[in-house]
Amino acid sequence: QVQLQESGPGLVKPSQTLSLTCTVSGGSITSGQHYWSWIRQLPGKGLEWIGYIYYTGSTYSNPSLKSRVTISADTSKNQFSLRLSPVTAADTAVYYCARGYDSFDYWGQGTLVTVSS
Amino acid sequence: QSVLTQPPSVSGAPGQRVTISCTEGGSNTGAAYYVHWYQQFPGTAPKLLIYGNTNRPSGVPDRFSGSKSGTSASLTITGLQAEDEADYYCQSSDSSLSVSIFGGGTKLTVL
Repeated sequence: QVQLQESGPGLVKPSQTLSLTCTVSGGSITSGQHYWSWIRQLPGKGLEWIGYIYYTGSTYSNPSLKSRVTISADTSKNQFSLRLSPVTAADTAVYYCARGYDSFDYWGQGTLVTVSS
Repeated sequence: QSVLTQPPSVSGAPGQRVTISCTEGGSNTGAAYYVHWYQQFPGTAPKLLIYGNTNRPSGVPDRFSGSKSGTSASLTITGLQAEDEADYYCQSSDSSLSVSIFGGGTKLTVL
């Protein structure tokens, strides 16, 4: 059973960098031809796909965020990460990591990141 | 950019059937793209309910079914139960931008 767990600071100051890590267990991020995505849910609102890293290491991000997003992987730790910079209050959201791109079959529990000074 | 439009809310009594619609607009032609559905309870992550328009992952009751015709997709829940009260989201792909997109979500209330 694949499990994902997000980790990172819950509070980030405006103009700084949001950094989150997703640790995957029960499967390798470098096998199975899977995509590994970041998705966020703004307060009281819907879901927004941020971007993915493919098992080959290639990445792609939502054009609406693209210039601010970096997604990378540490295969030795079976983790992938999100960096979003610079952030504003509008980036306050619950951030999820998930497996997939066309559809998302496994999700982390989500972590709330608040952008505030 | 494509958008997926869902009704903000639907409701039904226990035992009834409810349908949640998801209509594609914008640049998507509709027919070529799969629609997927997720169920989300407050404070928890979304759960994949239907994938590829009509398919249920293992463990999802057959009370849940999906369909798609052209630019419109639907999630139908039969034999409604109190435990089905949740938010439901449809999701697809935007052809022009190669991004995954979500509908705005529908809150299902079981009366």
